Amino acid sequence: GESVGLHLPTLSVQEGDNSIINCAYSNSASDYFIWYKQESGKGPQFIIDIRSNMDKRQGQRVTVLLNKTVKHLSLQIAATQPGDSAVYFCAENWGTGRRALTFGSGTRLQVQP
Amino acid sequence: NAGVTQTPKFRVLKTGQSMTLLCAQDMNHEYMYWYRQDPGMGLRLIHYSVGEGTTAKGEVPDGYNVSRLKKQNFLLGLESAAPSQTSVYFCASSGTYTDTQYFGPGTRLTVL
Repeated sequence: GESVGLHLPTLSVQEGDNSIINCAYSNSASDYFIWYKQESGKGPQFIIDIRSNMDKRQGQRVTVLLNKTVKHLSLQIAATQPGDSAVYFCAENWGTGRRALTFGSGTRLQVQP
Repeated sequence: NAGVTQTPKFRVLKTGQSMTLLCAQDMNHEYMYWYRQDPGMGLRLIHYSVGEGTTAKGEVPDGYNVSRLKKQNFLLGLESAAPSQTSVYFCASSGTYTDTQYFGPGTRLTVL
């Protein structure tokens, strides 16, 4: 089946820099996208989500951009902090009414002090 | 408000043994899910439930069974454990009017 994927498995940034984590999706029927943060030994933690009728959504220090033309999703983290170090997953809902998410394989963000 | 809780946190089984993982949520959510996460991979859906008394198969259902006898609980069973089922298992829940899923802390299962 169609799946969500990530361009970079590991991203290393300096503290204070902005981080951009990318995600490609292939199912044009997906109508909902979500980013999760997972720290070592913990469950995924909700960061931000976006519906397909939007192209940008902002949260606290985070922004999600959706480009439906090229089926691309990105997570921007402003002023990256050491506490942002984790694995980040994008996930999509295929809009079939199933309500279940399909996850990408994850990107590890390493913040260098 | 504890959110989503899972028991046990860790478990070691021998091949062929059975066990049940318990997930509980106190958010009155209709939807509940079981995922497994293998090293270096994203989460894969095993089974899910859209309400009390209903269950459905996900992406990787073989070797697992589930039950949703009460709205707040979702049980995952392994009838005859295999080494391939060594993984971290996550439970999640979501409400009727939102797709946002809230996850538990996970259960690390090792099958020898």
